[in-house]
Amino acid sequence: QSALTQPASVSGSPGQSVTISCTGGGSDIGGPYNYVYWYQQYPDKAPALIIYEVNKRPSGVSHRFSGSKSGRTASLIISGLQAEDEANYHCKAYTTNMTWVFGGGTKLTVL
Amino acid sequence: QVQLVQSGPDLKKPGASVKVSCRASGYTFTSIAMNWVRQAPGQGLEWMGWINTNYGTPTYAQGFTGRFVFSLDTSVSTAYLEISNLQTEDTAVYYCARSWGGFDHWGQGALVTVSS
Repeated sequence: QSALTQPASVSGSPGQSVTISCTGGGSDIGGPYNYVYWYQQYPDKAPALIIYEVNKRPSGVSHRFSGSKSGRTASLIISGLQAEDEANYHCKAYTTNMTWVFGGGTKLTVL
Repeated sequence: QVQLVQSGPDLKKPGASVKVSCRASGYTFTSIAMNWVRQAPGQGLEWMGWINTNYGTPTYAQGFTGRFVFSLDTSVSTAYLEISNLQTEDTAVYYCARSWGGFDHWGQGALVTVSS
């Protein structure tokens, strides 16, 4: 199973919105499941779940984080960018082989 | 509160074995699956597989068969990852993460360094 494709880096200024894409294939993101997840990871820390099942936010996660999916591409949208959002973001999807696959990760820089 | 606490960093020589532990607390250990995730230095996350904590049955992702073994000790709510015949490319942080609406809780990670 090949990794999902994410841009290596994105950037934005405080207050702006940024979108991080995650592209897969017909057996994962484009498959029959709405099982796309996003994780935020600070340097030398464990990842933390911020979006589950495409567009749901766990309790305690800022409403500035939202998710969507269209075809074989999922997106994480971060609005009202803040300095604390500077981190690495990883997407993950369930596959028709009953496995999980991650993206390569995207480094978000807040300018 | 839910916690997953992993063993500390380890330095091993090529060809040796290592066993990483992940002790769970704050929930019923046998009711939620446990996953293992690898992160090589400067790289992304890689799903290694999961273990059914009720039945003890492991499932390994492609690329993690043969030298990798998942196991449990339910009496102490602990999952284990054992890697045999270590190679330098196994140098990574290994995370355990439980599956509940996503990987909702993660261990702090265990750094395994393989170097001669």
